[in-house]
Amino acid sequence: AQKVTQAQTEISVVEKEDVTLDCVYETRDTTYYLFWYKQPPSGELVFLIRRNSFDEQNEISGRYSWNFQKSTSSFNFTITASQVVDSAVYFCALSLNSGGSNYKLTFGKGTLLTVNP
Amino acid sequence: DTGVSQDPRHKITKRGQNVTFRCDPISEHNRLYWYRQTLGQGPEFLTYFQNEAQLEKSRLLSDRFSAERPKGSFSTLEIQRTEQGDSAMYLCASSPVLNEQFFGPGTRLTVL
Repeated sequence: AQKVTQAQTEISVVEKEDVTLDCVYETRDTTYYLFWYKQPPSGELVFLIRRNSFDEQNEISGRYSWNFQKSTSSFNFTITASQVVDSAVYFCALSLNSGGSNYKLTFGKGTLLTVNP
Repeated sequence: DTGVSQDPRHKITKRGQNVTFRCDPISEHNRLYWYRQTLGQGPEFLTYFQNEAQLEKSRLLSDRFSAERPKGSFSTLEIQRTEQGDSAMYLCASSPVLNEQFFGPGTRLTVL
């Protein structure tokens, strides 16, 4: 069975600080996808990134960056120069890369990020 | 708006009543998923459709739950004889051929 752990339940920072959200995953499969989703107060899950288990290159998109390390089964998410609009719950998720898995997502419990002005 | 839509957005019902939710996926997405999210938790998988075929159901989906996707378009999720433990946000997501799932705004169910 798959498992995703987000140990940080809540994080509070002041605007312009950098913040890293941790994600640790467990799976016996060798091929899988990792995701991050954002859930603002409105409730709708917004897709941020997908990473294939074969691709360990770090990725940067604007103020967002992701660090994928298979050796530690971690897929951490960093927001640089945080803004109040970044306040939301962030979910890390995993799906197996096989048709038999139906690509369903296994989510962590989420990290509530509050960015204060 | 070409995103995933769900109706209603909120539903309050009394214990024992039946409720039905609707999801309209992104056009031409052949994969459709239902998840349930309770307060303080991440979404949990309920069921999956590929076109009109329901290919997987979670053990979370008791006999009181049923889902359909006639003609591979919209989907409905029905809960019969609702219980207070059914109170949650019900999320629908659709996906093209592989992977990336796009979520709707959810239906928040409150069972009194």
